[in-house]
Amino acid sequence: QSVLTQPPSVSGAPGQRVTISCTGSSSNIGAGYGVHWYEQLPGTAPKLLIYGNSNRPSGVPDRFSGSKSGTSASLAITGLQAEDEADYYCQSYDSSLSGWVFGGGTKLTVL
Amino acid sequence: QVQLVESGGGLVKPGGSLRLSCAASGFTFSDYYMSWIRQAPGKGLEWLSYMSSSGNTMYYADSVKGRFTISRDNAKNSLYLQMNSLRAEDTAVYYCARDQYSSGYYVDYWGQGTLVTVSS
Repeated sequence: QSVLTQPPSVSGAPGQRVTISCTGSSSNIGAGYGVHWYEQLPGTAPKLLIYGNSNRPSGVPDRFSGSKSGTSASLAITGLQAEDEADYYCQSYDSSLSGWVFGGGTKLTVL
Repeated sequence: QVQLVESGGGLVKPGGSLRLSCAASGFTFSDYYMSWIRQAPGKGLEWLSYMSSSGNTMYYADSVKGRFTISRDNAKNSLYLQMNSLRAEDTAVYYCARDQYSSGYYVDYWGQGTLVTVSS
């Protein structure tokens, strides 16, 4: 059971918009710690997608955006493309565990 | 460009030990916190440990506390993970990661990973 809760899977057709939620608690997201998102393509290492709730590293398309409210965060992907098919993970810090925590991951399927 | 290259993975028997290494290049290693993160087959990501840039501060996940030890050699641009008393559930791909900070630490660069298999 992950400290941060994500839906196991989401899907969408090419060109559509999908969102992936990440629900935490008052000891992590709700405590004001930043939420960060990673994309993991099959058979590869994860790659940073969003940092500090809503910031994109250089090279990440603006189709990807992040937001945070209360004890939850969301990753939105617009203009869905076949190459977006991957696993997506959220991550934050948990003060009660004194360490980083990841969500369980969400598998995105492009229909 | 930033490169993190892990080595030292392999097959080990339960109760055995293994030392992972991570060779860093393309950035000033001594300026950054570094972490080890693992991923069991078909499972999600699990943060294991991080170490401050100077090596003075380190934290461990409860799952490895007392069994794993993180260390670094800034002169050699290298990060290490000594793993003792290995269990079957430690079987995973182990990633070396460079940490960055913005409202909390995150990973901006990952290594390619090294597979550790614990089996008799």
